[in-house]
Amino acid sequence: GAGVSQTPSNKVTEKGKYVELRCDPISGHTALYWYRQSLGQGPEFLIYFQGTGAADDSGLPNDRFFAVRPEGSVSTLKIQRTERGDSAVYLCASSPRGGGPNTGELFFGEGSRLTVL
Amino acid sequence: KQEVTQIPAALSVPEGENLVLNCSFTDSAIYNLQWFRQDPGKGLTSLLLIQSSQREQTSGRLNASLDKSSGRSTLYIAASQPGDSATYLCAVRTGGTSYGKLTFGQGTILTVHP
Repeated sequence: GAGVSQTPSNKVTEKGKYVELRCDPISGHTALYWYRQSLGQGPEFLIYFQGTGAADDSGLPNDRFFAVRPEGSVSTLKIQRTERGDSAVYLCASSPRGGGPNTGELFFGEGSRLTVL
Repeated sequence: KQEVTQIPAALSVPEGENLVLNCSFTDSAIYNLQWFRQDPGKGLTSLLLIQSSQREQTSGRLNASLDKSSGRSTLYIAASQPGDSATYLCAVRTGGTSYGKLTFGQGTILTVHP
């Protein structure tokens, strides 16, 4: 597709359940990022990938959160034993490699809204 | 730790007015700064990207400036329109590389009324 695609757009789950959120980046973008946005706040960094490897996972809040990108394209954010405080919009972004004036520009998806009851 | 602050938190103006949104950051060792627009319930749309070596970028009615040494950026919107109503976010990339995390401000909620 032309842009970053995230599924599902909305997810309602019960406390304690396991959730997977998927991100399909722009074709050819080597860098992929996950952010979390709570109501009225700016996005907060969770993790970013260069290719298949997690280059920086310092934003993951605890070990219930995990993300993978096995083939260097699609990524899945996994949340175990969900808690009400995990409710937020989870945003994915991708960025192309290479130089030029727009190096490092991020392109975001529409987000996955997670509600934990 | 990089911290980004945006002022004002909210702004309401009549259509046609020129306006300025402010962004400040605590660590001046940034690689670039990016301004985004976010409509309610939507993702982020990139407006302007300023590399650390640049002073400003322009796109249509938007002009963003960067003063890295003082840790400040402004987004100037000329001749505002109701369609400009949205939340505007600035974000900085710290660390001297083109990759790595962005640190966001909390945003300025802009309302342009007819």
